[in-house]
Amino acid sequence: EDQVTQSPEALRLQEGESSSLNCSYTVSGLRGLFWYRQDPGKGPEFLFTLYSAGEEKEKERLKATLTKKESFLHITAPKPEDSATYLCAVRGYGAGGTSYGKLTFGQGTILTVHP
Amino acid sequence: GAVVSQHPSRVICKSGTSVKIECRSLDFQATTMFWYRQFPKKSLMLMATSNEGSKATYEQGVEKDKFLINHASLTLSTLTVTSAHPEDSSFYICSAIRGGDTQYFGPGTRLTVL
Repeated sequence: EDQVTQSPEALRLQEGESSSLNCSYTVSGLRGLFWYRQDPGKGPEFLFTLYSAGEEKEKERLKATLTKKESFLHITAPKPEDSATYLCAVRGYGAGGTSYGKLTFGQGTILTVHP
Repeated sequence: GAVVSQHPSRVICKSGTSVKIECRSLDFQATTMFWYRQFPKKSLMLMATSNEGSKATYEQGVEKDKFLINHASLTLSTLTVTSAHPEDSSFYICSAIRGGDTQYFGPGTRLTVL
């Protein structure tokens, strides 16, 4: 069974204080690792998809990296508007190795950035 | 811009009534859509996978007679909560895969059953 563990559960930063969120995973055949941002009362907003170890993707102050066992979401010089819950999810290969396996989510990291 | 829409965003109903939630993929066809439920301060729980033109696949523990899913077209899936009770109050979110493996989520529907 696929598993995703995110740490820390909550992270409080001062504006401009860079940090990283961790996502550890186990999956039988990684089809993709996904990062989402979720604001209170809203659906998850897609950030990144990573497919293979060594891959990196960037968007504004966020950079996601991937190894064979974990992914990091690096936040550089965060601003208060970056405050949200960040969700990590993995998808393995479904039955037969071709169909979609379901997304397995971690519990999320609640990020609060103080001005 | 938005890739998946949901309607309504909020609904309040009396116990025993049925509620329908619509999920639409915008500007793309989605042969597969997903329905999730999220409890306060918890992660998303997959309820069912909806396939266009066929019966939905429900996750273990999800009552298929309580949560009716219809995927009538390539851009529309509906979730009907039948005979709703207060314990069905929750945040329901739909999702669809667009262009490869990335799954996009709708804005969610807050259901409150009185």
